[in-house]
Amino acid sequence: NAGVTQTPKFQVLKTGQSMTLQCAQDMNHNSMYWYRQDPGMGLRLIYYSASEGTTDKGEVPNGYNVSRLNKREFSLRLESAAPSQTSVYFCASMWGARTTYGYTFGSGTRLTVV
Amino acid sequence: RKEVEQDPGPFNVPEGATVAFNCTYSNSASQSFFWYRQDCRKEPKLLMSVYSSGNEDGRFTAQLNRASQYISLLIRDSKLSDSATYLCVVTEGGGFKTIFGAGTRLFVKA
Repeated sequence: NAGVTQTPKFQVLKTGQSMTLQCAQDMNHNSMYWYRQDPGMGLRLIYYSASEGTTDKGEVPNGYNVSRLNKREFSLRLESAAPSQTSVYFCASMWGARTTYGYTFGSGTRLTVV
Repeated sequence: RKEVEQDPGPFNVPEGATVAFNCTYSNSASQSFFWYRQDCRKEPKLLMSVYSSGNEDGRFTAQLNRASQYISLLIRDSKLSDSATYLCVVTEGGGFKTIFGAGTRLFVKA
């Protein structure tokens, strides 16, 4: 019963390098999300996928791309990393519907861009 | 004005104390409300939903005041294990627009 699995847990990149953050969930949820969390700020939505085959921009999508590979997997790509992308990244999937729902989060990826 | 505002704290309380957190939200059309708990360097986890009628889960009580647009969380008989950051979460449109507060830090001391 893994829930939401994110890899890697830690990463250091040089400015301009690219990388992909991987996320997989085994709960058969339709909706998946990528958030970033910075000190003193709430989680901010980068991209989300309401269902397999669809993706949409969130609040802070610039500098990122996503792929919903299948129902289980939702990856986040940084094409050319910048120091401003230093953050903790959380993947989440959403369970439930209408007024009864919630998020299950992965354990996070701590990314530092130098 | 932030869409969801919380007092960042920290709140430092002794074991056994009662502590209350408030959260205000700006969009009167917000539909659903939650409290999440986040331990240091961990992911957020759902603590409880918040309903207009108020709801209780053991030592935790959540209240919603739609007229004043605020949500509260009351923790009674605080335990050391309650030390964490508590996130106020507000959603609109069936969950696809979710706004997280920056969180309130709580330290419970022996």
